[in-house]
Amino acid sequence: SQTIHQWPATLVQPVGSPLSLECTVEGTSNPNLYWYRQAAGRGLQLLFYSVGIGQISSEVPQNLSASRPQDRQFILSSKKLLLSDSGFYLCAWTDRGGETQYFGPGTRLLVL
Amino acid sequence: QKEVEQNSGPLSVPEGAIASLNCTYSDRGSQSFFWYRQYSGKSPELIMFIYSNGDKEDGRFTAQLNKASQYVSLLIRDSQPSDSATYLCAVITGYALNFGKGTSLLVTP
Repeated sequence: SQTIHQWPATLVQPVGSPLSLECTVEGTSNPNLYWYRQAAGRGLQLLFYSVGIGQISSEVPQNLSASRPQDRQFILSSKKLLLSDSGFYLCAWTDRGGETQYFGPGTRLLVL
Repeated sequence: QKEVEQNSGPLSVPEGAIASLNCTYSDRGSQSFFWYRQYSGKSPELIMFIYSNGDKEDGRFTAQLNKASQYVSLLIRDSQPSDSATYLCAVITGYALNFGKGTSLLVTP
């Protein structure tokens, strides 16, 4: 069966510090991968999606970036965090060609 | 901007009653619709999806889709306190899901 992992589970970072969040999927090959952010009182916002290694599409221009160095690994990064980057970051996957998305446990980020 | 709209609630129903959650969407070309449940502090989990007009039943859950009116709903029969959560409606837009902000459901004992 497929499993999706995210780490860390929680993170408190000062403004201006870098960020690296990691997501890995097990039990499937060639998945589509997604990063979402859920800010307090707001809906899920799609940040990036990837259909393959090195292929990243950005949905929202901001100070975040994403990379996919391996087939089942998706990384969300920032060089300098802003207060507005606080939120619940969720990674999701679908089978190639599939539409149903399954979410990881999420990373709760607080920028102070 | 393609919108997915939900009433934020909270929707309060007594235990054992039917909870009815509604969602409207703006993209008339949408073909696939999903309902997720999200407990406080947790990630969304898939309840069910629906592609065709009409009803789709899975246990205590029934999804209803009306493409002409551009709405999708979720009925929860015999509601339990454990059903208390936020319910997210999502619509496929290109490669990704476009989510509503969710409806908060409270089932009171």
